[in-house]
Amino acid sequence: GENVEQHPSTLSVQEGDSAVIKCTYSDSASNYFPWYKQELGKGPQLIIDIRSNVGEKKDQRIAVTLNKTAKHFSLHITETQPEDSAVYFCAASKDGGGSEKLVFGKGTKLTVNP
Amino acid sequence: KAGVTQTPRYLIKTRGQQVTLSCSPISGHRSVSWYQQTPGQGLQFLFEYFSETQRNKGNFPGRFSGRQFSNSRSEMNVSTLELGDSALYLCASSLGSSRVKPYGYTFGSGTRLTVV
Repeated sequence: GENVEQHPSTLSVQEGDSAVIKCTYSDSASNYFPWYKQELGKGPQLIIDIRSNVGEKKDQRIAVTLNKTAKHFSLHITETQPEDSAVYFCAASKDGGGSEKLVFGKGTKLTVNP
Repeated sequence: KAGVTQTPRYLIKTRGQQVTLSCSPISGHRSVSWYQQTPGQGLQFLFEYFSETQRNKGNFPGRFSGRQFSNSRSEMNVSTLELGDSALYLCASSLGSSRVKPYGYTFGSGTRLTVV
């Protein structure tokens, strides 16, 4: 079955710096790659997603890149702010985001220091 | 627009008991999925329901079961609770089709289950 590896497990940056989190997946049939942010006491919140027919997607300070050949995708956060501190999860799915189960990475705890 | 609502938020149960958790999806969403989140195993898929039918199932024992009602609300049940079942149980809803935007899942805040 699908396996998603996520690195690093913890990341500490200074406010204003960029943060990059990387994931690799094993199943070449996966075609939907969302990223979730989870704050303490809350459920994961979708922050950006990408489908396999797209190489890059941006939404303000957040961007995701996908390399299907290498089977890896990355989350880039620019101009980080203290409120970006949270646990971030990548995931992969085979159905394009409609119904198939999500396979999650183990998460990255991001700390943005003021 | 109301989000995904899970009740109760917290539960403490004794080993051997059973428990039922409830999830109300976003209005219009027909798919409800359940995930278990633990520090050791992370987020793991339990099952997914669409139009009252279980459409996908993860690798959990038969003690974990679920159902979906005609209004898309879902319940999951865990029987004969074990200490290792202590976890945050998350429900996620979606339209249930990759052909219609928006894609993807919206999660609730979860039910924190503690088994003692």
